[in-house]
Amino acid sequence: QQQVKQSPQSLIVQKGGISIINCAYENTAFDYFPWYQQFPGKGPALLIAIRPDVSEKKEGRFTISFNKSAKQFSLHIMDSQPGDSATYFCAARGSSYKLIFGSGTRLLVRP
Amino acid sequence: DTAVSQTPKYLVTQMGNDKSIKCEQNLGHDTMYWYKQDSKKFLKIMFSYNNKELIINETVPNRFSPKSPDKAHLNLHINSLELGDSAVYFCASSQDQGSGYTFGSGTRLTVV
Repeated sequence: QQQVKQSPQSLIVQKGGISIINCAYENTAFDYFPWYQQFPGKGPALLIAIRPDVSEKKEGRFTISFNKSAKQFSLHIMDSQPGDSATYFCAARGSSYKLIFGSGTRLLVRP
Repeated sequence: DTAVSQTPKYLVTQMGNDKSIKCEQNLGHDTMYWYKQDSKKFLKIMFSYNNKELIINETVPNRFSPKSPDKAHLNLHINSLELGDSAVYFCASSQDQGSGYTFGSGTRLTVV
């Protein structure tokens, strides 16, 4: 119930394409869903986040789509760039306010 | 000016040794965390402190002991290191217990 399942494990996209990463959860008590971006040798950095009372949030080229009934949320990266190549983690906030992370998606954007 | 800083960045040590990792945040946040990232990149929470009080203590061997001397610092001491402790350890902080975390750059621990 405390898990967040993330897919795909890895993703290759051509420059200018759309990258889509999906996450699913079971615990309906989760109340905050952030996405983090991690470059090699660095810590994860908050990219964008959404609360379950909103179905979509957009910040620049990054959009979160949230489907509360299906208990799924996804990250869309429009016009993907080589600089977006990184590992992306979804997460969900549960009891005691702890963040539970998905297993990560390694994105490679080819020039 | 680094927001969440960890030292050391790399730590190579032998099995059985005791080591510490230090973390400091200058964001004025009231909650700090330790996460472990294994070789498959999986991030798992270990501990959380809010205003120097332990809030989260996951199923972590008691060889791991966090210490928070003040709300800007959270250190991690590990006794009797084992090969399986090799990982990257991340410190993080947040305001209001769980809103957007700010992570440090990590400490890569290698036990040989």
